[in-house]
Amino acid sequence: GAVVSQHPSWVICKSGTSVKIECRSLDFQATTMFWYRQFPKQSLMLMATSNEGSKATYEQGVEKDKFLINHASLTLSTLTVTSAHPEDSSFYICSAWRVGLSSGANVLTFGAGSRLTVL
Amino acid sequence: QKEVEQDPGPLSVPEGAIVSLNCTYSNSAFQYFMWYRQYSRKGPELLMYTYSSGNKEDGRFTAQVDKSSKYISLFIRDSQPSDSATYLCAMIPENDYKLSFGAGTTVTVRA
Repeated sequence: GAVVSQHPSWVICKSGTSVKIECRSLDFQATTMFWYRQFPKQSLMLMATSNEGSKATYEQGVEKDKFLINHASLTLSTLTVTSAHPEDSSFYICSAWRVGLSSGANVLTFGAGSRLTVL
Repeated sequence: QKEVEQDPGPLSVPEGAIVSLNCTYSNSAFQYFMWYRQYSRKGPELLMYTYSSGNKEDGRFTAQVDKSSKYISLFIRDSQPSDSATYLCAMIPENDYKLSFGAGTTVTVRA
């Protein structure tokens, strides 16, 4: 089953409203989670690194005040898109490092993604 | 120049054919190499994971890493329509936590 869970999987909102996306690690603790953005037919773009108990680290060009990240516990990180506009419509995916059961090595595990459509 | 180069395709093959995917990279510090499969409107899922140079086989999938050429490959034997997806290569240096991704190659296996 899924070990990184995202909710909601699909959200439609009006321009100017805020939307919160949750990312949970289900059977492991994640002090660090990553938020990616993916436009159609393009690769993943890292937006920010979410750190439990401290401020997120944002990649260059990502607006901190627009994409609020909170990592309040070892199993939950949230991404809030504030005052959303149509250009924010995208697929948002979170991920976390966990130990692979078969390999024993750390592998980056992704959530199923959240599709945001801003009208 | 991007750190990881991957031909986005699309690639269309008949069922049963061998699918060959590859990526090149410029950062010689990369040590861990991964292939992810992403179905439409879903998050990526890890397919293969390789450390340093060499080959790794898992069922119908074979991953190859040639660090001297900075070139990695993924082969899918006896391809099935269910293999139709976007395949992303990813890599990371030792003791780092940020993956560098290729653009992804979209593959369609025709029944």
